[in-house]
Amino acid sequence: GAVVSQHPSWVICKSGTSVKIECRSLDFQATTMFWYRQFPKQSLMLMATSNEGSKATYEQGVEKDKFLINHASLTLSTLTVTSAHPEDSSFYICSAISPLTNTEAFFGQGTRLTVV
Amino acid sequence: AQSVAQPEDQVNVAEGNPLTVKCTYSVSGNPYLFWYVQYPNRGLQFLLKYITGDNLVKGSYGFEAEFNKSQTSFHLKKPSALVSDSALYFCAVRDGGNQGGKLIFGQGTELSVKP
Repeated sequence: GAVVSQHPSWVICKSGTSVKIECRSLDFQATTMFWYRQFPKQSLMLMATSNEGSKATYEQGVEKDKFLINHASLTLSTLTVTSAHPEDSSFYICSAISPLTNTEAFFGQGTRLTVV
Repeated sequence: AQSVAQPEDQVNVAEGNPLTVKCTYSVSGNPYLFWYVQYPNRGLQFLLKYITGDNLVKGSYGFEAEFNKSQTSFHLKKPSALVSDSALYFCAVRDGGNQGGKLIFGQGTELSVKP
């Protein structure tokens, strides 16, 4: 199946700094990728839809200046958490739709962000 | 608007017994339904999907799910549970008529299989 890879798997940063998370489609091209946030033992909350070559579409309540998304190529989308604060600590997961079936999504392994 | 409900936060099953994880959905168009499993600190793994055709779909690791249109349900089942099945399970729905449609997740059900 389609492989989606995220990097890093975990990161610890100081308050006020910015952190970049990468999401790559390893064996296919993804014009669209999705970014989710997940709190412990909770569901995935869609943050934004990343579109190659154009601006991301953010869900209501998600600050686009705080969570910068760049989808500069067909295999890479990045999420940058700017001026991170402890409340931004969470598990961030990206996904892309399988190009073979155009139905199910495949997910990266997730990134655990801890802001201290 | 699309929505998914997983009425049970946790399901406890003895190893070897059958398991069921419940899911009901609401979508305006044709439902594309999915089940995913998540192990601690990992991303989601695709288990199975219903798009069209037979109401009973079979997926990975011996799991299956039955699409019931009248009850708007898509319960996940397995005839004989394994301890290694213990994980967090998510049901998800997408509007099949909208190719760019978002995947909406249920709140998740924690499955615990005891030896």
